[in-house]
Amino acid sequence: QLQLQESGPGLVKPSETLSLTCTVSGGSISSSSYYWGWIRQPPGKGLEWIGSIYYSGSTYYNPSLKSRVTISVDTSKNQFSLKLSSVTAADTAVYYCARHGMVRGVPRPNFDYWGQGTLVTVSS
Amino acid sequence: QSALTQPRSVSGSPGQSVTISCTGTSSDVGGYNYVSWYQQHPGKAPKLMIYDVSKRPSGVPDRFSGSKSGNTASLTISGLQAEDEADYYCCSYAGSYTFEVFGGGTKLTVL
Repeated sequence: QLQLQESGPGLVKPSETLSLTCTVSGGSISSSSYYWGWIRQPPGKGLEWIGSIYYSGSTYYNPSLKSRVTISVDTSKNQFSLKLSSVTAADTAVYYCARHGMVRGVPRPNFDYWGQGTLVTVSS
Repeated sequence: QSALTQPRSVSGSPGQSVTISCTGTSSDVGGYNYVSWYQQHPGKAPKLMIYDVSKRPSGVPDRFSGSKSGNTASLTISGLQAEDEADYYCCSYAGSYTFEVFGGGTKLTVL
């Protein structure tokens, strides 16, 4: 059974960089059929797709966050990571990693496996 | 403001059917057959219930069904059960610039 697990600091100071890692177990991140994505959910609010990465390193980002987001992959560790720079209180959210498929080579919105989520609070 | 519009809340009694709408534009919902629906219970990760407008993943009861007409997708839950009470989110592919967009979510209350 595929499992995803987020890890990283739960508290980040304003203007600093948020860094999270998602470890995939029970399957290979190098599968040719899937993308690996990050989604966030501010407390009491809805879901927002942040971006996704293919095992080859191809990335796709939410245009509203693109200038601050970097997603990378480490196939040797079966992990992918998120960096979000210049954070503010508005970036406080539960961050999820998830697997999804592709359509014509680009990410497809069928997020079928999710991590449990990790709360990141931006505060001094 | 979310890219896709959902009603904030819907409700129904056990055994009844409810439908949750998800309205977008011709650039997302109306332009592609790549709409998915997620169920989220409090404090839990979302669960995929419908993908590609109307396909059900293995293990999802056939009480859950999806459809689309024009720029609006719909999730119908028939034979409502207490455990269906949750938040529901739609998501659509939105082209090769925006990629994925979510709806604002709908809280389903089982009366």
